[in-house]
Amino acid sequence: DAGITQSPRHKVTETGTPVTLRCHQTENHRYMYWYRQDPGHGLRLIHYSYGVKDTDKGEVSDGYSVSRSKTEDFLLTLESATSSQTSVYFCAINPSGGGEQYFGPGTRLTVT
Amino acid sequence: DAKTTQPPSMDCAEGRAANLPCNHSTISGNEYVYWYRQIHSQGPQYIIHGLKNNETNEMASLIITEDRKSSTLILPHATLRDTAVYYCIVRVPTGANSKLTFGKGITLSVRP
Repeated sequence: DAGITQSPRHKVTETGTPVTLRCHQTENHRYMYWYRQDPGHGLRLIHYSYGVKDTDKGEVSDGYSVSRSKTEDFLLTLESATSSQTSVYFCAINPSGGGEQYFGPGTRLTVT
Repeated sequence: DAKTTQPPSMDCAEGRAANLPCNHSTISGNEYVYWYRQIHSQGPQYIIHGLKNNETNEMASLIITEDRKSSTLILPHATLRDTAVYYCIVRVPTGANSKLTFGKGITLSVRP
């Protein structure tokens, strides 16, 4: 158990509404990541963070923003949700800065 | 990151060893081999990694050929709970931008 929780676990929302997903870790690791997983695309990196208030874009960052005001929390916001953002979202931590990442249980988001 | 090639699927009997192959013929000298798995509806799970020596932990063993162009993940006594998609990833394990590129992986089915 890597001490990662995600909330909510499931959410249905309407097109155009803002949505915030939360990732919480109990170990105070420096590196955190948000991925999305879709059939046929595998896991794709949205944003990542290398410290409080230090974030950067991944390969599919359009339409998403992130914030990290505390080490333990990494928030992913969809400013105006679209149907193309229907996906399963995974948060991950990287304890060492190397290649081992530990993933949360995921959030299944449906945008109608 | 070096590209990896895995067969799409394989199966094995419960209690037997599962040997999952991976080809990474373009691997460079400073790239490590990582294995992850994803059980249905769960987040990916880190299993093991190595550079050139064989590695073993409580979950699995990793055998890397001497020329490092291929590797095998061994689950010594497969159980039904090991049914999952297994991903072989090759990358340099440094830096904040340690995004993981998951390919299609190999689907392991453990039969009773």
